[in-house]
Amino acid sequence: KNEVEQSPQNLTAQEGEFITINCSYSVGISALHWLQQHPGGGIVSLFMLSSGKKKHGRLIATINIQEKHSSLHITASHPRDSAVYICAVIGSNYQLIWGAGTKLIIKP
Amino acid sequence: DAGVIQSPRHEVTEMGQEVTLRCKPISGHNSLFWYRQTMMRGLELLIYFNNNVPIDDSGMPEDRFSAKMPNASFSTLKIQPSEPRDSAVYFCASSRTGGTEAFFGQGTRLTVV
Repeated sequence: KNEVEQSPQNLTAQEGEFITINCSYSVGISALHWLQQHPGGGIVSLFMLSSGKKKHGRLIATINIQEKHSSLHITASHPRDSAVYICAVIGSNYQLIWGAGTKLIIKP
Repeated sequence: DAGVIQSPRHEVTEMGQEVTLRCKPISGHNSLFWYRQTMMRGLELLIYFNNNVPIDDSGMPEDRFSAKMPNASFSTLKIQPSEPRDSAVYFCASSRTGGTEAFFGQGTRLTVV
């Protein structure tokens, strides 16, 4: 079992839909990252969370430390949101452990 | 392997001085990350390199901060001029591109007085 698991692995939705990507982890962490990787390969850091909720534009990230679970939400999705979304946790040994990613496609 | 090596471990400098932090990633790793950790803001990603090329520097707080990676085995993070609010622990981490783990150095504790 992977220490960081994301779901779904693939998600296709219509423009405007509300998107949720989930991340569960099994290790103790000091923080959790949500990253976005576009088809060109560049990785953008979206959020770093250690508790609660953060919002940036149409993106919202939440984390529940007790349940070892985080979600990334995209409101009013747009084709330019199409990318791979990666959940990564910073473990207690300072290791950064990635999930396998969620490939999101937003159709116009 | 010695792991990710950062230097210096501790740096105390006066406001206005230039500070250079150094990082040697694990051999064979082609992704390198610079993070800053403070009590107030937690751990922040400053910049990410892949194959020595800066991919995302959106976390760099302002123009006083610059990072370079002249080759696969060395990176620097420079602050010029330094300010007291830059006081933090600065971490460097490296990983293989497409890998699922990255390893952190022990950090540089910077104090700007």
